[in-house]
Amino acid sequence: DAMVIQNPRYQVTQFGKPVTLSCSQTLNHNVMYWYQQKSSQAPKLLFHYYDKDFNNEADTPDNFQSRRPNTSFCFLDIRSPGLGDAAMYLCATSRDQGRRYEQYFGPGTRLTVT
Amino acid sequence: AQSVTQPDIHITVSEGASLELRCNYSYGATPYLFWYVQSPGQGLQLLLKYFSGDTLVQGIKGFEAEFKRSQSSFNLRKPSVHWSDAAEYFCAVGDVSGTSYGKLTFGQGTILTVHP
Repeated sequence: DAMVIQNPRYQVTQFGKPVTLSCSQTLNHNVMYWYQQKSSQAPKLLFHYYDKDFNNEADTPDNFQSRRPNTSFCFLDIRSPGLGDAAMYLCATSRDQGRRYEQYFGPGTRLTVT
Repeated sequence: AQSVTQPDIHITVSEGASLELRCNYSYGATPYLFWYVQSPGQGLQLLLKYFSGDTLVQGIKGFEAEFKRSQSSFNLRKPSVHWSDAAEYFCAVGDVSGTSYGKLTFGQGTILTVHP
C-alpha cells in the first residue's frame, strides 16, 4: 500500500545533541510538510517543500532545518535540541491537484529530550 | 490569517448515540476544510474534506460534515457512535494562497470519550 513512513517512531536524544528524523513516501507526492505537535496541542507547521522549493514558516526556530534529497525522502534536523523541542513530529504529503491539497500523514516520531 | 475554533475540548457520549463536533473557521477566500482523527500516539487520519460543490460531504467510518458558509462552520456528525470512535478530532483549514501549498491550520482538537 502507498504510504508515508516515519523513522524512527520513538527517538530519545540528549539536550544539545543533534538529531535527525526521517520521512519517506511511496505516494509520489510533490509536496511534503513537517508539523510539530506538542502534548495536548494541535499540530503546527514548521516548513514544507513544493518539489525542491523550501518554504519556512516565519516562526520556525533556526534550530530546525530540513532536507529533501529527492521526491521520496525528507529529513528534519534539530541542531541543538532543547527540552522544549520534545514533541510528536508529523510528516505529511500531498499532491497539487489544481491547488487542491489533500494531506496524508505518517504515524509520527515521538521525540524525547533528556 | 486563517484560524479554526473547536469550541468543545472534550465530549462524552454513550455508544449508539449521535454525535456532532463543532468547528468554526476564519479564512479570507473559499475555504478548503478537513476533519482528521488521531488516536493516542498515532498520526492523523483524514476523515473527510470539502473543496467545493455539495455542502454535505461524506467521509470514512460513517462520518459526514456540513459546510455552512453563512455560519463559517464545518461541523462533523455521526448518527451512531461506536466505542472505536473514541479519539481526538481535529478540524483544519487549508491555505492555498501564494506559496502556502495547502498548509493546514488546525483547531485545538476535541477529545471524544465513548461510554459503553
